Amino acid sequence: DAKTTQPTSMDCAEGRAANLPCNHSTISGNEYVYWYRQIHSQGPQYIIHGLKNNETNEMASLIITEDRKSSTLILPHATLRDTAVYYCIVRVSGLDTGRRALTFGSGTRLQVQP
Amino acid sequence: GAVVSQHPSWVICKSGTSVKIECRSLDFQATTMFWYRQFPKQSLMLMATSNEGSKATYEQGVEKDKFLINHASLTLSTLTVTSAHPEDSSFYICSARETHEQFFGPGTRLTVL
Repeated sequence: DAKTTQPTSMDCAEGRAANLPCNHSTISGNEYVYWYRQIHSQGPQYIIHGLKNNETNEMASLIITEDRKSSTLILPHATLRDTAVYYCIVRVSGLDTGRRALTFGSGTRLQVQP
Repeated sequence: GAVVSQHPSWVICKSGTSVKIECRSLDFQATTMFWYRQFPKQSLMLMATSNEGSKATYEQGVEKDKFLINHASLTLSTLTVTSAHPEDSSFYICSARETHEQFFGPGTRLTVL
């Protein structure tokens, strides 16, 4: 799986958009970008994933650059409950890959301020 | 999404005792389950991969005789911390695989006195 680089921490004002960057310059053509988050003392929660097109769901949007070397997770209207550690993970998606565990880096600690 | 539960959510035990943690996939069958450990202010570290009906595969540095894993059914895996010591105090998280996605349990906080 390709290595990812994320800022250690970020702050965001409540109600504003939170933009969390991730660099994955060694990503391969068949590797997806996944985002998970972990609220304090809970298990990780899946947020979104994408290959090359931008993706949006009820939780967030994922913007992937054209060269796929970086991406941004956007929480459009951050709330206090979005305070968590956000992990960007790059991996191939498929049945065989699913047999291997997700590998977590250090992530970005997002603090949403009131 | 698929739901994974863990029991207990927290446990306090005396040094030298054994503790069993259960991980269940509630609405799907999981042929593969994963166990992670997380120390304060650190990321999740994979301990072992458990496949239903076969022996678990442990990551380097994880003692298989200390952390016993049983995956006897498609919906249940258990982690037993044997002869627990204070340094085993941690947050233990299980994850279950459905097709090619992983879903995580809420975690179990173990405190060994």
